[in-house]
Amino acid sequence: ETGVTQTPRHLVMGMTNKKSLKCEQHLGHNAMYWYKQSAKKPLELMFVYSLEERVENNSVPSRFSPECPNSSHLFLHLHTLQPEDSALYLCASSQDGRGRSTDTQYFGPGTRLTVL
Amino acid sequence: AQSVAQPEDQVNVAEGNPLTVKCTYSVSGNPYLFWYVQYPNRGLQFLLKYITGDNLVKGSYGFEAEFNKSQTSFHLKKPSALVSDSALYFCAVRVYNTDKLIFGTGTRLQVFP
Repeated sequence: ETGVTQTPRHLVMGMTNKKSLKCEQHLGHNAMYWYKQSAKKPLELMFVYSLEERVENNSVPSRFSPECPNSSHLFLHLHTLQPEDSALYLCASSQDGRGRSTDTQYFGPGTRLTVL
Repeated sequence: AQSVAQPEDQVNVAEGNPLTVKCTYSVSGNPYLFWYVQYPNRGLQFLLKYITGDNLVKGSYGFEAEFNKSQTSFHLKKPSALVSDSALYFCAVRVYNTDKLIFGTGTRLQVFP
């Protein structure tokens, strides 16, 4: 798991707070992903960045705002969240092949978010 | 539409016995299939993948998976289960012509001593 790190590991926030989740990958990859994992639901892909360009936004509410300043770092900015946004947020990275890659996505340990 | 199904929410097996965690898929084009494992309070760890070639794929921690094109299945197997194998297992398929993965709902494996 040291290839992809996430901070913080746990976060409790109120609905009016603004916070950010951070992800860093040390694998030399050029694509990064945000997933949401809720209880009893499949992993939901939220955002995909390839070569620092957002290539996918899976109908995610605007209260989630991603940022990818370079190929090693990915942020998820949070504001005015709802209790139903409480979940485990996972970051992943891979070597982007523009749809032709067979490469593997490697995941970080996740941030456990609780919205009060 | 492309999809992955894991028909069992939970699989129970005694330590030392063989285990199977089932996965079936529906894809356009050639299937790229993956298995991940998640331990409590941890992220997903890659176990193995099928891209092409031999239908039996060997992965980490003694796990293997058998690709069966006619049955559109990719079941995860291990000849002898360990208590430490107890975790949540996810099957995933790559969406055709993208780098996106679609995950199954997960199967909780419980290995009893």
